[in-house]
Amino acid sequence: EDKVVQSPLSLVVHEGDTVTLNCSYEVTNFRSLLWYKQEKKAPTFLFMLTSSGIEKKSGRLSSILDKKELFSILNITATQTGDSAVYLCAVSGGTSYGKLTFGQGTILTVHP
Amino acid sequence: AAGVIQSPRHLIKEKRETATLKCYPIPRHDTVYWYQQGPGQDPQFLISFYEKMQSDKGSIPDRFSAQQFSDYHSELNMSSLELGDSALYFCASSWGEGYNEQFFGPGTRLTVL
Repeated sequence: EDKVVQSPLSLVVHEGDTVTLNCSYEVTNFRSLLWYKQEKKAPTFLFMLTSSGIEKKSGRLSSILDKKELFSILNITATQTGDSAVYLCAVSGGTSYGKLTFGQGTILTVHP
Repeated sequence: AAGVIQSPRHLIKEKRETATLKCYPIPRHDTVYWYQQGPGQDPQFLISFYEKMQSDKGSIPDRFSAQQFSDYHSELNMSSLELGDSALYFCASSWGEGYNEQFFGPGTRLTVL
């Protein structure tokens, strides 16, 4: 059974701090790993990672995948209060045709 | 840019009633996924369709059924509703049967009384 574990489960920081969110996974026939941001509504797509060692970047957010060690990190630099959300990591693979298995999420709270 | 559309956004039903949730994928997306998210839980995969055929099945109760129509919209039919069915139901769409990003709709919040 596919498994995704995120850490930490919650994180409280102040504006301007840098945070690193972790995601480890176990899945046969790995296909992709995705990061989403959820703010009391639908998950918003951030990144999709398929290859090891290639950093994806969007503004203050970046993410990288290590397929050998089976984990990914999501970095957020110069955090803002608007970054407060639940960050979800999900993987697809196995015998599925794209269904996502989600981790339990990291609750990030950024104080002014 | 056009996003995934779900209707209704909120739905209140009594136990044992039926409900139908609708999902309209992003234009040119051919794959639709349904997820259920309980309070404080991560989304759980229910079922998916690619090119109007069921492509994968997860933890969907036998009381639920779904289909994808010729215009690629999908409907999730839920019968004999139970209190435990109260949740957020998300639809996501992608292009190319699992090889590309999934974009989520705003969700339907179902409350069963």
